[in-house]
Amino acid sequence: DAGVIQSPRHEVTEMGQEVTLRCKPISGHDYLFWYRQTMMRGLELLIYFNNNVPIDDSGMPEDRFSAKMPNASFSTLKIQPSEPRDSAVYFCASTQGRMNTEAFFGQGTRLTVV
Amino acid sequence: QQPVQSPQAVILREGEDAVINCSSSKALYSVHWYRQKHGEAPVFLMILLKGGEQKGHEKISASFNEKKQQSSLYLTASQLSYSGTYFCGSCSGGYQKVTFGTGTKLQVIP
Repeated sequence: DAGVIQSPRHEVTEMGQEVTLRCKPISGHDYLFWYRQTMMRGLELLIYFNNNVPIDDSGMPEDRFSAKMPNASFSTLKIQPSEPRDSAVYFCASTQGRMNTEAFFGQGTRLTVV
Repeated sequence: QQPVQSPQAVILREGEDAVINCSSSKALYSVHWYRQKHGEAPVFLMILLKGGEQKGHEKISASFNEKKQQSSLYLTASQLSYSGTYFCGSCSGGYQKVTFGTGTKLQVIP
């Protein structure tokens, strides 16, 4: 398997624009996570899905953020409208099984909002 | 709430040992450790479960004190390849939600 695949790797956008980040989890994994990484806050869990259903979105910072998982092989994280403080590296990760197991991270999307 | 890690940063010479600590204000079911090299994705190191079970790499050791809600990662005879940022993640239930700390930046120099 190619691992967790994220796109784009880098995104530069202007404040107010809509940004969509994409993630393809490892085939067969039933959990998918979206994390945001900044120097100040480290790795923050934004939302996670189990079998395509959002389980906990308490980490989503504002209504400007939304995430979907229309099927087992694809998820999106959307920011609309984007703001400079959204600049960060966004990681997607997937894992398998209900209990504590190893999570596999994608290479991340570095988002810069100017 | 994020677990708290200490130290925030450490510099070692090759061959030296280091300990990274992680503590949580909530009761822990498990602790997860990951290492991230600059510009790369976090990579799994190990999971310590309540009750003493450990899953992970044989060359890395860690402890988990359930009563104190603390975990420590032990890096012995450090190598240049150990450099990176180490994250501990806390899980307060028997599910997959892992909350990470802010990380400990480790640099190993020749």
